[in-house]
Amino acid sequence: DSGVTQTPKHLITATGQRVTLRCSPRSGDLSVYWYQQSLDQGLQFLIQYYNGEERAKGNILERFSAQQFPDLHSELNLSSLELGDSALYFCASSVDSGGGGGTQYFGPGTRLTVL
Amino acid sequence: LAKTTQPISMDSYEGQEVNITCSHNNIATNDYITWYQQFPSQGPRFIIQGYKTKVTNEVASLFIPADRKSSTLSLPRVSLSDTAVYYCLVGDRWGGANNLFFGTGTRLTVIP
Repeated sequence: DSGVTQTPKHLITATGQRVTLRCSPRSGDLSVYWYQQSLDQGLQFLIQYYNGEERAKGNILERFSAQQFPDLHSELNLSSLELGDSALYFCASSVDSGGGGGTQYFGPGTRLTVL
Repeated sequence: LAKTTQPISMDSYEGQEVNITCSHNNIATNDYITWYQQFPSQGPRFIIQGYKTKVTNEVASLFIPADRKSSTLSLPRVSLSDTAVYYCLVGDRWGGANNLFFGTGTRLTVIP
């Protein structure tokens, strides 16, 4: 158990809909990262928040947005969903902001299926 | 962040030592090297991190040559449960995650 929690575990929805994924970081961690992993693909970094502020952006679509709240939990909002958005979405947290140089702890993921 | 290059896949027999090399020619002075392990449908798990020379923990060793342009993850006496994808990541600890690159990793298959 990494200490990072994600809800829901599974999500099935239809094209055009909007969903919200939630992540609670490990106690004491200030950074939250969001990743997308499609079937048999590598991890695609989407976005990072550090202590409530956006810190870095990766390959995040304009239809996707995220935020980190004062209690440090984070939400990833996916709108106008398309079939290609079906994937595993992981959240990770770290105490530092470096991403590549820090130690990230990953949650169990949310499996999104768009029908 | 420095981009990394790893072999796509490797096979090994149970009980053997496995070495996975990662190239990171553009590594910067402040960059660390971190390895993660991922099983299917699970989030990656931290294995080991290093800056230079050699680091060893209870599950792996990390060898980093003096020029730091590559690194080698060494898994001693692998078992079937080590079958997974292994990712090499390079970056500094405080500069933010811009250009964070996991790539497709190295898929290790351990054969009985």
